[in-house]
Amino acid sequence: ETGVTQTPRHLVMGMTNKKSLKCEQHLGHNAMYWYKQSAKKPLELMFVYSLEERVENNSVPSRFSPECPNSSHLFLHLHTLQPEDSALYLCASSQDWGQDNIQYFGAGTRLSVL
Amino acid sequence: GENVEQHPSTLSVQEGDSAVIKCTYSDSASNYFPWYKQELGKGPQLIIDIRSNVGEKKDQRIAVTLNKTAKHFSLHITETQPEDSAVYFCAASIGYSTLTFGKGTMLLVSP
Repeated sequence: ETGVTQTPRHLVMGMTNKKSLKCEQHLGHNAMYWYKQSAKKPLELMFVYSLEERVENNSVPSRFSPECPNSSHLFLHLHTLQPEDSALYLCASSQDWGQDNIQYFGAGTRLSVL
Repeated sequence: GENVEQHPSTLSVQEGDSAVIKCTYSDSASNYFPWYKQELGKGPQLIIDIRSNVGEKKDQRIAVTLNKTAKHFSLHITETQPEDSAVYFCAASIGYSTLTFGKGTMLLVSP
């Protein structure tokens, strides 16, 4: 148990669906991250939140919409996705952003877009 | 921005052998270099890290070396065991900001 829980673990959706990924951290951290992991590619940072404020948005298409209602929860809302969006989506947290960069990852949500 | 290259992409060793994974980075301002291990069905987990004011760090069977002049760093695993089989990622960051990851190395340790 890493202290970072992601649900669901697997998700299959059509291109016209709307779904949400959830991440919860039980570590008392102030920063949370969304990453996309595709086969044979480096981990791609999507969004960073620090103290519930978005501090980084790395040119991610608008069909991905993050939400951070409090420092323990992070969501990724998905709508009108494309098949190339199929990947493992990882959530991570760290004590602070820009201070201590040890990141703790969840197990990920395996997303398949049909 | 920062670019991290990692080699090899796959590494197969016999149990008890040593394994070495190498990474190079492009931005000389990078000062933090962690290594993560990802087992099947799990997220990456930090196994060791090194900061730019240190040339080598060791933790039991795992060691990391850093050559700032050449801008490369390496992970060394001695006396490999089957449970070391996983994907290993190197990463680099500047000023403790966001990490740039390598593409990963799949390590296979055969009994």
